[in-house]
Amino acid sequence: DVKVTQSSRYLVKRTGEKVFLECVQDMDHENMFWYRQDPGLGLRLIYFSYDVKMKEKGDIPEGYSVSREKKERFSLILESASTNQTSMYLCASSYDRDGETQYFGPGTRLLVL
Amino acid sequence: GNSVTQMEGPVTLSEEAFLTINCTYTATGYPSLFWYVQYPGEGLQLLLKATKADDKGSNKGFEATYRKETTSFHLEKGSVQVSDSAVYFCALSDPMDTGRRALTFGSGTRLQVQP
Repeated sequence: DVKVTQSSRYLVKRTGEKVFLECVQDMDHENMFWYRQDPGLGLRLIYFSYDVKMKEKGDIPEGYSVSREKKERFSLILESASTNQTSMYLCASSYDRDGETQYFGPGTRLLVL
Repeated sequence: GNSVTQMEGPVTLSEEAFLTINCTYTATGYPSLFWYVQYPGEGLQLLLKATKADDKGSNKGFEATYRKETTSFHLEKGSVQVSDSAVYFCALSDPMDTGRRALTFGSGTRLQVQP
């Protein structure tokens, strides 16, 4: 079975802190994605990566950056956390076939105070 | 751009009732269509998918048919159980949207099944 793990299920941070969210997949997938999930808005794509050291902006990249130094790991970085970044963050991965059938991690619920 | 529209929830049903969750889409090409389910406290899981017009995806008693003429992919189940209570997301993958490689999701529909 494909397994996508996220480093934390819950995080509480203060405004202005630098926040790292880690995601690891064990199926040698080329593509990895970061989404945020907010009530009534569904999932919105923040960034994605289709190869090591490659990254592409999604629909809402402002205030975020990413890092992919190894194929299995994709990190989301909030350079200076703000209260409007309080959300559920979901990581996903897929084979290199136009993103079909994405596999999701359990999510990280982030609260920024 | 691409978009997915789902019926708003919550949808509240009694056990063994018939379920329909509507989903319509807009896409530039010929997308693949998906239903994902999110149980409380968990990430999203693929429920079913269809890759071309008139295909029917099915899993765990759920079904959805890819209707190109109405740009729809409605989710149905003949008899829901309490354990089906979850949030359901309709999504599409558009091969014409080159470079994106990501899914476009609807806003989700919460289903509550009462005993």
